[in-house]
Amino acid sequence: AQTVTQSQPEMSVQEAETVTLSCTYDTSESDYYLFWYKQPPSRQMILVIRQEAYKQQNATENRFSVNFQKAAKSFSLKISDSQLGDAAMYFCAYRSPGNQFYFGTGTSLTVIP
Amino acid sequence: DTGVSQNPRHKITKRGQNVTFRCDPISEHNRLYWYRQTLGQGPEFLTYFQNEAQLEKSRLLSDRFSAERPKGSFSTLEIQRTEQGDSAMYLCASGRAGSNYGYTFGSGTRLTVV
Repeated sequence: AQTVTQSQPEMSVQEAETVTLSCTYDTSESDYYLFWYKQPPSRQMILVIRQEAYKQQNATENRFSVNFQKAAKSFSLKISDSQLGDAAMYFCAYRSPGNQFYFGTGTSLTVIP
Repeated sequence: DTGVSQNPRHKITKRGQNVTFRCDPISEHNRLYWYRQTLGQGPEFLTYFQNEAQLEKSRLLSDRFSAERPKGSFSTLEIQRTEQGDSAMYLCASGRAGSNYGYTFGSGTRLTVV
């Protein structure tokens, strides 16, 4: 069974600084997708960034980038120039070839002004 | 594109009552997923549809739970004889089969069983 582990229940970062959220996963598949979702207090999940497992290049979306280490089954999210609006719960998710999503338990990010 | 819509936003019910939630996906999306999220946890998969066909159900989905997507558009999730342990946020997500992108989530229905 696929599992996703986020070992940091809470993280904090000073505004304008950089923070990295960790995620590891377990799978026997070679072709899959990984995602980071953000869930603000309004509770709607918003896609932040995605990574295809067959691509070696790390995905980047503006201030958000990932460090994807396939052999280590690690998928961390780096947020640069943190903003107050980045404060939210962040979930790492694995999507199997069968299109099922598996989520980690989340990391609550606080941005300190 | 109005996003994924879920109704109601909140539902409080007495233990033993039946409840039904509705999800309206993005119109061109043929896949629809239901997830349950409890406090401090990530969403847990319940079931999903491709068009009107229910393709997979989680073991979390006991026989008190039933989901339908009769015309391949909106979906309903019904919980019969609710229990306090059913209290959670129920999330719906939709997407296109074969898409490389993550799916779009609704805002969820928060169920409280008293």
